[in-house]
Amino acid sequence: GDSVTQMEGPVTLSEEAFLTINCTYTATGYPSLFWYVQYPGEGLQLLLKATKADDKGSNKGFEATYRKETTSFHLEKGSVQVSDSAVYFCALSGPPQIPTFGRGTSLIVHP
Amino acid sequence: KAGVTQTPRYLIKTRGQQVTLSCSPISGHRSVSWYQQTPGQGLQFLFEYFSETQRNKGNFPGRFSGRQFSNSRSEMNVSTLELGDSALYLCASIEGTGVSNEQFFGPGTRLTVL
Repeated sequence: GDSVTQMEGPVTLSEEAFLTINCTYTATGYPSLFWYVQYPGEGLQLLLKATKADDKGSNKGFEATYRKETTSFHLEKGSVQVSDSAVYFCALSGPPQIPTFGRGTSLIVHP
Repeated sequence: KAGVTQTPRYLIKTRGQQVTLSCSPISGHRSVSWYQQTPGQGLQFLFEYFSETQRNKGNFPGRFSGRQFSNSRSEMNVSTLELGDSALYLCASIEGTGVSNEQFFGPGTRLTVL
């Protein structure tokens, strides 16, 4: 079946450090790929998405590129802030797949 | 626009009971999906409804069911509760006609089964 694998956390960084959270997937067909973020006590919010190979999604300084050849969708940010501390989920969906989420990666950013 | 509303926010039940959770999507959105979130299994898809019809279903036992009303509000029901059903249940309101579109998540209902 379809699956999404994320790097285990927590990822601990100092403010202004570079962030990479790895995400790889297995799926039949051509899914859309997503990154969601969940702040403490809240539901998930869409951070960015890409719907086809080589698309780059970007939002709030975060970026991820849909790499079909490596089946990856790694999340990057050049300079993290304390307010970026949250749990990040990589996900895929789109027919025929049902939505499939990774386990989530906790990010902790220290001042 | 108001966001996705889920009620109740917290619920405590005992084994063998049943529970009904409610979700009101964003106005104008006609699709709703439900997820179970646990520390052990992560976020797992339960089902998706569009215009009162179940369009997709995850791999959960028949004790888990749902429905959608003509105003797009949705409910999910879990019968004969088990300890393992303790989880955060998230509802998502979907813009567009499929789950490949953006999903707007509610804050969730925290269910504890004793």
